[in-house]
Amino acid sequence: SAVISQKPSRDICQRGTSLTIQCQVDSQVTMMFWYRQQPGQSLTLIATANQGSEATYESGFVIDKFPISRPNLTFSTLTVSNMSPEDSSIYLCSVEDSVGGPGGYTFGSGTRLTVV
Amino acid sequence: ELKVEQNPLFLSMQEGKNYTIYCNYSTTSDRLYWYRQDPGKSLESLFVLLSNGAVKQEGRLMASLDTKARLSTLHITAAVHDLSATYFCAVDIGYSTLTFGKGTMLLVSP
Repeated sequence: SAVISQKPSRDICQRGTSLTIQCQVDSQVTMMFWYRQQPGQSLTLIATANQGSEATYESGFVIDKFPISRPNLTFSTLTVSNMSPEDSSIYLCSVEDSVGGPGGYTFGSGTRLTVV
Repeated sequence: ELKVEQNPLFLSMQEGKNYTIYCNYSTTSDRLYWYRQDPGKSLESLFVLLSNGAVKQEGRLMASLDTKARLSTLHITAAVHDLSATYFCAVDIGYSTLTFGKGTMLLVSP
């Protein structure tokens, strides 16, 4: 399965600032996914990032708040903009494991964000 | 809108006991995944279930999928402390979009 390197692993940020999270995959993938996990909650999909096109955002998430870049088939970034304490969450990137046929999804190690 | 319901949401077990976690979903799908998450960690893939009647086993865990009933189960046999974690099921209805259940926090004590 794919190996994802996600950074930073954690950060404490001041409200009103922005944080960019990076994910690097060890193989080329068509789609990369960004999730948010609020404290004690399940995972919610923020957006799907395809190389060469704008990301597709889920209901409740907008590009101005969570801009995403996907410059190539192995890398993506998610920015959390103009942060407030409500943005304190774990953010995870994910890719689909499709080598050898349909498989599961691999997740990055996550970025634990605390906004103060 | 796809809804994925897990139960129980919290499970306290004694070592050596058996139990089953249930995952119901509201829309037709034949792709269901189980993940484990330890506190402060990312998600670890446990099982990938891709067809009706699929059954997979790994150690003390066994997962099954009944697409007609829209139900998956994760069965724990002779629980040990190392199984303490939160377990999530996730359903893919196409478009590679996963919808997660709320998770089952499992605590196994001596």
